[in-house]
Amino acid sequence: KAGVTQTPRYLIKTRGQQVTLSCSPISGHRSVSWYQQTPGQGLQFLFEYFSETQRNKGNFPGRFSGRQFSNSRSEMNVSTLELGDSALYLCASRNLLARPYEQYFGPGTRLTVT
Amino acid sequence: AQRVTQPEKLLSVFKGAPVELKCNYSYSGSPELFWYVQYSRQRLQLLLRHISRESIKGFTADLNKGETSFHLKKPFAQEEDSAMYYCALSPNTGNQFYFGTGTSLTVIP
Repeated sequence: KAGVTQTPRYLIKTRGQQVTLSCSPISGHRSVSWYQQTPGQGLQFLFEYFSETQRNKGNFPGRFSGRQFSNSRSEMNVSTLELGDSALYLCASRNLLARPYEQYFGPGTRLTVT
Repeated sequence: AQRVTQPEKLLSVFKGAPVELKCNYSYSGSPELFWYVQYSRQRLQLLLRHISRESIKGFTADLNKGETSFHLKKPFAQEEDSAMYYCALSPNTGNQFYFGTGTSLTVIP
């Protein structure tokens, strides 16, 4: 099976702009999670979607939003970008219909806000 | 509440020495525990899962329910083991996944 893919891989934006990141899960996986990874904070959970519904949410401001489509692909949007949003954004998918419930990660999107 | 704790942010060992990366968790019930590894410039990948009781790249991890620990061990560290290691927990209900803060392992030649 093809792995989790994320587009774009690299992105440079200016403060105040908005950005949309995309994630395609492993075929058959209906759960998609998003994480922010920074050297100082490590992995921070943003949210998880399952069958187009957000089922879990981390402690991020409302500027961070997401959605999932009927084909399980997911997008994450960040509005009014701040310098502190510069990070590697990781997407992970998993199969919640059978244990174990491990996650499989994409390569990430490196976002730089200037 | 902190679900997964990795007390060591940085760990350095010499090549050939044993290595142990600590992980403690707090969760009532029977969670699933995992170790993930991220090598330089590579994606985060699953190293091993407690439910499989496997040994991957010489690493093993035993779930100790009494001490709520899931430490990762390798008897002889290799330079290629240098990476970031994350301990993770998933409730057996499949609810939210929890990661520890990670341990950066450096194996000194």
